[in-house]
Amino acid sequence: KAGVTQTPRYLIKTRGQQVTLSCSPISGHRSVSWYQQTPGQGLQFLFEYFSETQRNKGNFPGRFSGRQFSNSRSEMNVSTLELGDSALYLCASSSDRAPYEQYFGPGTRLTVT
Amino acid sequence: AQRVTQPEKLLSVFKGAPVELKCNYSYSGSPELFWYVQYSRQRLQLLLRHISRESIKGFTADLNKGETSFHLKKPFAQEEDSAMYYCALWNRDDKIIFGKGTRLHILP
Repeated sequence: KAGVTQTPRYLIKTRGQQVTLSCSPISGHRSVSWYQQTPGQGLQFLFEYFSETQRNKGNFPGRFSGRQFSNSRSEMNVSTLELGDSALYLCASSSDRAPYEQYFGPGTRLTVT
Repeated sequence: AQRVTQPEKLLSVFKGAPVELKCNYSYSGSPELFWYVQYSRQRLQLLLRHISRESIKGFTADLNKGETSFHLKKPFAQEEDSAMYYCALWNRDDKIIFGKGTRLHILP
């Protein structure tokens, strides 16, 4: 099976802009979760989508949003970018049978200048 | 509140010495706990889960409900063990809570 893929891998944006990141889960996985990874805060949970519905949400401002399509692909959007949004954004998918086992993508490295 | 705490940001251990990565959790129910690992330039991946009680790459972790701990241990460190390790708790609401991670550095 192909692994989780994320596009783009690298992104440079300026403050105030918005950005959309994409994630394709492993075939058959209906759950997609997004995380922000930074050296200072580690791995922080953003939100989780299951069958096109947001099932869980972390403690991030409303500038961070997401959606999931009928083929389980997911997008994450960040509006009005701030310098502090610079991070590695990881997407992970999991199966219905083993929801605790997250399969991570390579991440999108976002740099906000 | 549900929380996973990894008190050490960085742990340096000599090759051949024992390793113990600490993890404490706060959870009112019966937890399911995991260790994830991220090697340099590789994806974050599941290392082991407490229910399976298995040893992966020489690592074991025992759930201690009395001390609410799930420390990761290995008797003899190897250089290839250098990586970022995350302890995680699954709260049965399909949400995984990760600790902030510990970077393990194996010294030659």
